[in-house]
Amino acid sequence: SQTIHQWPATLVQPVGSPLSLECTVEGTSNPNLYWYRQAAGRGLQLLFYSVGIGQISSEVPQNLSASRPQDRQFILSSKKLLLSDSGFYLCAWSVHGGGGYTFGSGTRLTVV
Amino acid sequence: DAKTTQPNSMESNEEEPVHLPCNHSTISGTDYIHWYRQLPSQGPEYVIHGLTSNVNNRMASLAIAEDRKSSTLILHRATLRDAAVYYCILPTWDGDKIIFGKGTRLHILP
Repeated sequence: SQTIHQWPATLVQPVGSPLSLECTVEGTSNPNLYWYRQAAGRGLQLLFYSVGIGQISSEVPQNLSASRPQDRQFILSSKKLLLSDSGFYLCAWSVHGGGGYTFGSGTRLTVV
Repeated sequence: DAKTTQPNSMESNEEEPVHLPCNHSTISGTDYIHWYRQLPSQGPEYVIHGLTSNVNNRMASLAIAEDRKSSTLILHRATLRDAAVYYCILPTWDGDKIIFGKGTRLHILP
């Protein structure tokens, strides 16, 4: 069966520090991969999605970036965090051509 | 994505049925209707999806209007664990990405 792993679960980082969040999927190949962010009390915002290795589409310009170095690995990064980067970050995967999404358990990031 | 409209919040009593509406008047003929829910401090989870016919699974039922311009998610017997934000979504086929709206926050009263 397919599983999605996302870590860490919680993270407190100072302003200006770098960020690296990792997401891996098991039990499937060539999935679509997504990063979403949810600010406190707000809706889900799609940040990046990827339909294959090295293919990244950005939905919202910001100081975040994403990479997909392997088929089932998706990484969200920042060189210098801002206070506004605080939020609940969710990774998700789906098969190509539609179907349901499966979300990871999320990383709650607090930038102080 | 085709736009969906949902009420901001709804309340229901425990052990009673809940009908969560969604309007999607600009839906195209090939758009599937997906429902997800997000429990507190968790990622969204898939609930159900359909195209034209009504659908049932162990979690819920989905009733789709004949003109497909609206749909209703039905929880047959709400429990306190069903308190969540429910999202009605029409996934775009452009990279298969899903854009989430604000959803409906469902409160269950004991």
